Amino acid sequence: EPEVTQTPSHQVTQMGQEVILRCVPISNHLYFYWYRQILGQKVEFLVSFYNNEISEKSEIFDDQFSVERPDGSNFTLKIRSTKLEDSAMYFCASRPGHPYEQYFGPGTRLTVT
Amino acid sequence: EDKVVQSPLSLVVHEGDTVTLNCSYEVTNFRSLLWYKQEKKAPTFLFMLTSSGIEKKSGRLSSILDKKELFSILNITATQTGDSAVYLCSVTSGTYKYIFGTGTRLKVLA
Repeated sequence: EPEVTQTPSHQVTQMGQEVILRCVPISNHLYFYWYRQILGQKVEFLVSFYNNEISEKSEIFDDQFSVERPDGSNFTLKIRSTKLEDSAMYFCASRPGHPYEQYFGPGTRLTVT
Repeated sequence: EDKVVQSPLSLVVHEGDTVTLNCSYEVTNFRSLLWYKQEKKAPTFLFMLTSSGIEKKSGRLSSILDKKELFSILNITATQTGDSAVYLCSVTSGTYKYIFGTGTRLKVLA
């Protein structure tokens, strides 16, 4: 069964460094998402991406964040200058046009020290 | 502001019990409500509901949506220890945005 994959599974970085989190969505899906989940808290929507552009973003997704789909298969989240509070699990998800169910990747645990 | 509220926050039951998990929502431009199970890492999809009053069922799990009262319930009958997880409710607002509740942590004791 096709699945969403994410790399790396765990990333440790120092405050102020840039990180790129990578996702390979399911191949025939059209909508792509990034979420974060701070330990013990709820899943928070960051951004949705459709037709090679951002379709919606949350207040969390400020100028330090960017997304790209550079080659038609990978979907990346870049955090430009990491802060301690960026430490969280980051999930990628994708869905086909319809229905609206999303399929989540296994997540990348980001630890900022 | 869009919001999704789940209750209870946590629940401890014994194997064989039946549980009911609640999800209420206030969102602009409601499209669908989804239930997920989250064990160790990524949420896994359980149900998607778009129409009021139509029960979705999968084995011992079932769910129903009330669009007039803006809530949904997830029922689990004859619970097993493998049902222990966090159950997440998510609502789509418009075409692109999904809003999650805080989840209900269910623990099933043998």
